[in-house]
Amino acid sequence: GQQLNQSPQSMFIQEGEDVSMNCTSSSIFNTWLWYKQDPGEGPVLLIALYKAGELTSNGRLTAQFGITRKDSFLNISASIPSDVGIYFCAGQEVTLSEKLVFGKGTKLTVNP
Amino acid sequence: NAGVMQNPRHLVRRRGQEARLRCSPMKGHSHVYWYRQLPEEGLKFMVYLQKENIIDESGMPKERFSAEFPKEGPSILRIQQVVRGDSAAYFCASSPRRTGKNTEAFFGQGTRLTVV
Repeated sequence: GQQLNQSPQSMFIQEGEDVSMNCTSSSIFNTWLWYKQDPGEGPVLLIALYKAGELTSNGRLTAQFGITRKDSFLNISASIPSDVGIYFCAGQEVTLSEKLVFGKGTKLTVNP
Repeated sequence: NAGVMQNPRHLVRRRGQEARLRCSPMKGHSHVYWYRQLPEEGLKFMVYLQKENIIDESGMPKERFSAEFPKEGPSILRIQQVVRGDSAAYFCASSPRRTGKNTEAFFGQGTRLTVV
C-alpha cells in the first residue's frame, strides 16, 4: 500500500523556536492534512490543503501542499510548551473511500 | 454538539476472547471510518462504512475482524479470538458525507485494546 515518509521522527526545541517538519510520498494525493495527537487522545485536525501549491495558515501554523502533489510541510512559529505532542501528516487517496494514509509522526518536545 | 464517542476507552481481553469496540458518530454524520494505531506508528485504515453498508474494507484483516454500522445505534468493530498482535489503539472517525474537499472526518478518542 501507499506510504508516507515523515521527518524528522522527533524534535527537541526551546520555547520560542520555530519548527519545520515534512512529508513525502511516492504517490499523488489530492488532499494533504496535518493532525496533532496528544497522549491518550485521538488526532485533531490542524490544517487541510486541497490545491497543489496552496499555502495555508492557522495561527502560528503554516502548511504547504507541494506543487508535485507528492509532498507537504508544516511550520510552527514561536513554539510554546502546549505545542508538545505528535504531529501526523496524512494524504487522502483518490479512491471511493478517500481513506487517509498517515505518516509515522513527528514527536515534538518543547523545553520551557 | 457531542463529538465522536468511542467506548470503552480501555479494553483488556485474554487471548481467544472477543473484543467489541463501539463508535457513535457525531450527530448528523452517516459515514464512519475505523483506523488502527500500533505503538510509535501512524494510523492505518481498516474499513469505511455508511449506514448499513460496508463501502471499503480493504484494510481489514481477512479473518477474525468484522465491522457494522446499523441503521440504528453505533458502529461496531468486532475482533474474534483476539491475539497479542491485536493490541493497539483503534480510532473511529465520522463525517457527514464522503470526505473530500471541505469535508473532513473528526476522530474519537480511541479504544486502547490490550490482549493479555
